[in-house]
Amino acid sequence: DIQMTQSPSSLSASVGDRVTITCRASQSISSFLNWYQQKPGKAPKLLIYAASSLQSGVTSRFSGSGSGTDFTLTISSLQPEDFATYYCQQSYSAPHTFGQGTRLDIK
Amino acid sequence: QVQLVESGGGLVKPGGSLRLSCAASGFTFSDYYMNWIRQAPGKGLEWVSYISKSSSYIEYADSVKGRFTISRDNAKKTLFLQMNSLRAEDTAVYYCARDVKVAGPGWLDPWGQGTLVTVST
Repeated sequence: DIQMTQSPSSLSASVGDRVTITCRASQSISSFLNWYQQKPGKAPKLLIYAASSLQSGVTSRFSGSGSGTDFTLTISSLQPEDFATYYCQQSYSAPHTFGQGTRLDIK
Repeated sequence: QVQLVESGGGLVKPGGSLRLSCAASGFTFSDYYMNWIRQAPGKGLEWVSYISKSSSYIEYADSVKGRFTISRDNAKKTLFLQMNSLRAEDTAVYYCARDVKVAGPGWLDPWGQGTLVTVST
């Protein structure tokens, strides 16, 4: 199985900060990497698919990059509504494993 | 609008069974792979299973293989998860999600609101 490792596991930041979350796969997954945002008590929401494609309706503050084993999610200027938990997921091969999540808190 | 609504969760004793349903609307259900994902209380997301458009291709996580069965009824636009031999560690919110594929592997969008399964005496 492909293991997905996110870093950091938690992060405190301020409104207006630029934030980067990293996701590393245990083997190459090409660009088959997706990012989701989850707020407490809610279902996850797709942000980025295929490593760098912004889902329709998602603010351009979010961007994704990477291929192979190393990927990043960047939030260009944090807004209050961005404080949430973020998960990466590989869809290269089953089981379609998720990273352990990165909790983004207000500093 | 595209919508997924799960049902069937509840409290069940260890060793018991439960069948979850996911009703789809707003899109052509038979055109999409479908997934189940779960989240234990206070924990991260765990992919559980997926099923192809015609049910010809199915995959499971090792943690549920041999105990859970995914299926679908395209005529009724409904996805199912039959869960047998339930364990305490199966306690979680179970989400269904549509698998969007353009060419090759895809992504999960949208997700349902989830249904809580609690396995306890």
